[in-house]
Amino acid sequence: DAGVIQSPRHEVTEMGQEVTLRCKPISGHNSLFWYRQTMMRGLELLIYFNNNVPIDDSGMPEDRFSAKMPNASFSTLKIQPSEPRDSAVYFCASSSRSPLHFGNGTRLTVT
Amino acid sequence: AQTVTQSQPEMSVQEAETVTLSCTYDTSESDYYLFWYKQPPSRQMILVIRQEAYKQQNATENRFSVNFQKAAKSFSLKISDSQLGDAAMYFCAYRSPNTGNQFYFGTGTSLTVIP
Repeated sequence: DAGVIQSPRHEVTEMGQEVTLRCKPISGHNSLFWYRQTMMRGLELLIYFNNNVPIDDSGMPEDRFSAKMPNASFSTLKIQPSEPRDSAVYFCASSSRSPLHFGNGTRLTVT
Repeated sequence: AQTVTQSQPEMSVQEAETVTLSCTYDTSESDYYLFWYKQPPSRQMILVIRQEAYKQQNATENRFSVNFQKAAKSFSLKISDSQLGDAAMYFCAYRSPNTGNQFYFGTGTSLTVIP
């Protein structure tokens, strides 16, 4: 079991550019979560999926953010256009019954 | 929605001593799961210990143990024989099986281990 795999590990981009973060959950897990972590706001849930279906996206900050899960083994979080305030560490996590398994996160820097 | 409160933003402990991190939660559910996660400077989120609410016995994992008080809605983490590698941010988390497997996290406690 390779765990939850996120890519890229680091992303530096300029304001206005599109950013796509990728996640491969643990095989067999039916729930997938995207979190954002900053010093100011801590760990925030952005969106989560059950069986590839978005259940709660109320944490998505605005329309610039979108997430998809086309199949059970892949999810993306897209920011278009990116802004400096989007700079944070973005975590993907997956779960079956219990507990939550996190990826190593993507550190996004928007200049 | 359920809320998880960690009232200690920062804690410190002498190496080899014992420290207890506090966590309380608010819920009307009777069946749920509780977790402690550790986040060292590497930023990786590591599961430390878990507790099922229906189990009265407190969970233990080596030097880590919990004091689960269901009636008081309290879930504290005790670290015995603290080691330098225990220095990290610790997050308490609640999982609700009744709201689509939603997880709720506290704001974290930063633990410093003093040599």
